Amino acid sequence: EIVLTQSPGTLSLSPGERATLSCWASQSVSSSSLAWYQQKPGQAPRLLIYGASNRATGIPDRFSGSGSGTDFTLTISRLEPEDFAVYFCQQYGSSITFGQGARLEI
Amino acid sequence: EVQLVESGGGLVQPGGSLRLSCAASGFTFSSYGMNWVRQAPGKGLEWVSYISSGSTSIYYADSVEGRFTISRDNAKNSLYLLMNSLRGEDTAVYYCARGLMGRFTPNWFDPWGQGTLVTVSS
Repeated sequence: EIVLTQSPGTLSLSPGERATLSCWASQSVSSSSLAWYQQKPGQAPRLLIYGASNRATGIPDRFSGSGSGTDFTLTISRLEPEDFAVYFCQQYGSSITFGQGARLEI
Repeated sequence: EVQLVESGGGLVQPGGSLRLSCAASGFTFSSYGMNWVRQAPGKGLEWVSYISSGSTSIYYADSVEGRFTISRDNAKNSLYLLMNSLRGEDTAVYYCARGLMGRFTPNWFDPWGQGTLVTVSS
């Protein structure tokens, strides 16, 4: 099973700042088969990024994904108040596993 | 608008059974693979099961293999999860999530339903 580890566990930033969230895989994730989700309290997760770097429909361009192999990154270029949430990475190259989540707080 | 609405959650005793449903609308349900993903209270996400558009490919997480059964009725635009031999660690919000069209394995999930809470307790 591919284990995904997200860091940092909690990131404290202010609106307007840049956020960088990391997702490390215990084995290489084939074909950059990695997605990112945002979850707000009491809501279902929302797809942000698939294929490591492709934005999902309707996702603002301040969200970007990068990486390959075992190291992946979600970057939010300029934080808006609505971006403060929990973010999960997920790999689908070998079965399905999720990272433990990373909280982005004001 | 694509919508997924889960139902069927509730309180069940350990060892009991429960059947979850997911009603889909706003897209051609019969063309897409579908998934169940769960989230224990205050915890992370765990993929549970996948079924391809024509029910020819089915996969389960090891934690539920042999106890849970995924199925779908394309005529009714509905997805199901029959859960048997329930345990305390199955307590979670269960989400229905759409997969991809034309694939036979789970990939990313978009969109997700609002979830239904299953509580396993005596």
